[in-house]
Amino acid sequence: AQSVTQLGSHVSVSEGALVLLRCNYSSSVPPYLFWYVQYPNQGLQLLLKYTTGATLVKGINGFEAEFKKSETSFHLTKPSAHMSDAAEYFCAVTPTNTGGFKTIFGAGTRLFVKA
Amino acid sequence: DADVTQTPRNRITKTGKRIMLECSQTKGHDRMYWYRQDPGLGLRLIYYSFDVKDINKGEISDGYSVSRQAQAKFSLSLESAIPNQTALYFCATSEPGLAGDEQYFGPGTRLTVT
Repeated sequence: AQSVTQLGSHVSVSEGALVLLRCNYSSSVPPYLFWYVQYPNQGLQLLLKYTTGATLVKGINGFEAEFKKSETSFHLTKPSAHMSDAAEYFCAVTPTNTGGFKTIFGAGTRLFVKA
Repeated sequence: DADVTQTPRNRITKTGKRIMLECSQTKGHDRMYWYRQDPGLGLRLIYYSFDVKDINKGEISDGYSVSRQAQAKFSLSLESAIPNQTALYFCATSEPGLAGDEQYFGPGTRLTVT
């Protein structure tokens, strides 16, 4: 069965520091990969997604993620954290052999940004 | 206006009561979903619907039922609420694509069962 593991339920960085949120998946076939962000009192919104092609994917708000097949990872990064990045981030996978709709979400990582 | 709306946004109810959570969307998507979010568990799928006549159970459907009244409306019911159904509930929509369904979420309904 597919699964998604996000390392660290909480990550704290200083404003201006590198943001690194880790995500690993288990799948016999590379799935479609997503990062969603949830701001307080809001629903999730898509940050970026990997389907095929270039393994480095750029998203909104300066975030990017790199698909590494050999490591079954899809870590999210941002070179310089901003206070407005404080939110909860969810990694998600959609198996490619299920019609592309059954998304499995990780447990989430809450990002804190210190002034 | 928001593309996916949920009502109510907050609800407190007592054990044993029936409650309905409603979702409406203006995106014109056929696929709709209900998830619950619990701390440390992420989002778990309760039910999903591909169109008005196609409704399917997700991984945690016990204790819940749904109704797809129209393409734009998908309701979630708790027939007899229990305290462990206290959670944040999200409705989402998607459109079938060639490369995975990006999902569009409503703002959520915070449900407390006392």
